[in-house]
Amino acid sequence: DGGITQSPKYLFRKEGQNVTLSCEQNLNHDAMYWYRQDPGQGLRLIYYSQIVNDFQKGDIAEGYSVSREKKESFPLTVTSAQKNPTAFYLCASSYSGANVLTFGAGSRLTVL
Amino acid sequence: AQSVTQPDIHITVSEGASLELRCNYSYGATPYLFWYVQSPGQGLQLLLKYFSGDTLVQGIKGFEAEFKRSQSSFNLRKPSVHWSDAAEYFCAVRRSNDYKLSFGAGTTVTVRA
Repeated sequence: DGGITQSPKYLFRKEGQNVTLSCEQNLNHDAMYWYRQDPGQGLRLIYYSQIVNDFQKGDIAEGYSVSREKKESFPLTVTSAQKNPTAFYLCASSYSGANVLTFGAGSRLTVL
Repeated sequence: AQSVTQPDIHITVSEGASLELRCNYSYGATPYLFWYVQSPGQGLQLLLKYFSGDTLVQGIKGFEAEFKRSQSSFNLRKPSVHWSDAAEYFCAVRRSNDYKLSFGAGTTVTVRA
């Protein structure tokens, strides 16, 4: 079955460390997105990519970086510059120009 | 800038009772409107969407929503809730010329027996 795979599901990190969250999709979608979810705040867009080798900042890109070397993959790196990285991270994808997003199951990052 | 407001943070409803979740948006033109549902620790699943046409849209799991332009609202309804409907519900809005999907803060629904 087609879908989006996020890994790891749970991740613990010490302050000052960079971590990379994986997002892979086999839906042949062109666009991919990263959202951050905090309790009571809904989802906020971190980065999105409409095509390979191109991506744009969302509302809260500071302290995060992404790459889009392959259509299927859109990894997110949470850098040590991110002041409050503990959150639930959701990856999504869609066909280019389409309005409906398909979401992965999420990755929960906890900074110790 | 567009914003999405879900006035109710938490709603408790009895099994078999009706449910209505409110959503208001601020945007000059008619946007694309969505309702998503999220079970604890999981991703989001699309319940229904509105792009144009009939203002009453049907979705999965027996949900429906009505777009009211005059009130800038897109409220979600279900006539009779099941215990499995306990989850968090998000309203989302997207402008027709933009990739960005803006989400409300969510409404948590608890179903009591």
